[in-house]
Order: sequence, then structure tokens, then C-alpha cells
Amino acid sequence: QKEVEQNSGPLSVPEGAIASLNCTYSDRGSQSFFWYRQYSGKSPELIMFIYSNGDKEDGRFTAQLNKASQYVSLLIRDSQPSDSATYLCAVTGTGTASKLTFGTGTRLQVTL
Amino acid sequence: NAGVMQNPRHLVRRRGQEARLRCSPMKGHSHVYWYRQLPEEGLKFMVYLQKENIIDESGMPKERFSAEFPKEGPSILRIQQVVRGDSAAYFCASSPRVALASPYEQYFGPGTRLTVT
Repeated sequence: QKEVEQNSGPLSVPEGAIASLNCTYSDRGSQSFFWYRQYSGKSPELIMFIYSNGDKEDGRFTAQLNKASQYVSLLIRDSQPSDSATYLCAVTGTGTASKLTFGTGTRLQVTL
Repeated sequence: NAGVMQNPRHLVRRRGQEARLRCSPMKGHSHVYWYRQLPEEGLKFMVYLQKENIIDESGMPKERFSAEFPKEGPSILRIQQVVRGDSAAYFCASSPRVALASPYEQYFGPGTRLTVT
């Protein structure tokens, strides 16, 4: 079982729709959870982080965390073509807040 | 406010040569992390350093790879006797603090694309 799992996609959504990206993790001791966006050939860009159960909203982005189900998600409202990218889920492990373990990413395509 | 800086951005080495990758963290950041991204694969943690200290090198290959973060100057990831399998994008990230019970953020540099011929 992979430590952090994401559906590789591509996830295709029409412009203006809500994109829902999901991530599960295996380490119950994981403390902090991050979503990064990576355009092709570029470096990861931090979008959001969350560490408490529930929802956290920032502009068009909402991160949702359910530690009991070991599940974290990212919602993107009013999706734009510029949101087309690979979205990486990352978590920290038990006993350390330093090392990030990444999923392989979900490729999002926002169509006109 | 300059971000994380890495150089060179592209590096070509022949098999058996040495590769040196440099990373300067964001201003005010004293924690540096190195990650490797192989083609079509996810980012993999390599090493975490603070000034003059290696904190966690659990992701570093046992041979040929080393990292340092001296008191003065950038962090350096060194790969000796490179092989074709070392071809990848190497990213450096920095953060301002680490706390077990609090979130922190790692900000990534533009990466160094290493090609071994």
C-alpha cells in the first residue's frame, strides 16, 4: 500500500464547475496535510495546508480533512483553465513535522 | 522578497562525473529540504538540513550522494560518479520553522534538471 494515494486522472471538469481532488494516507500519526499545484516542467507551488479535522477555505479553494478516515480532499470552485495542472497531496509522518511524503498527483484539466 | 533559489537550472553530466546542485533558502528560513522527482514519478524526500547539521537523511541513497548546509553559503547536494538513473529534477525547499504540533510550510525552488548522458 502506498503511503499517500491519489487518483492519477486526468480529471476533466468544465470551466466554472467544482473540481474535487482526493487523497488517502496510510500513517495514522500524520499531523499536517498540504496541497501543492505543479504545472508541467515547473516546481510545486503551495496552495493550502490543513491540520485539524474539518474544512478550511481560502478563496476558491477548500481543503477538507477527516483523520478518522485518513482522507484529505481539495475542492476548487469556479474552475478556470489556468487551474489545469497536477495537484500533489503531501503529508507529514508520525513524530516529525519535517519530512513530506507526496502522492503521485492528480492531473486536472479544465475545459472551455 | 526573493524566493528559494537554485542553480544551475539545467545540468548535463556524463556518466562518472560529479554533479553539484546549490540551493539558497528564502530569506529568514533556516531549514532546507531536498527532494527528487524522477520522470513520471512523485516527489521523493531525500534529506533535511539545518545550518551545519543533517537532521534527517533517510531518503538519501547510501552511496554517491551527500548534502551539506554550511554556516555561510548555500546548501549543496553532491552526486558523485553519476549514472543515467540519476537523471531527474532535484528540488530544494525551505521553511522558517519546524514544530511537532504545528503546521509549517515548505516553499520550493525552481529545481535543477539533471541529465546524465
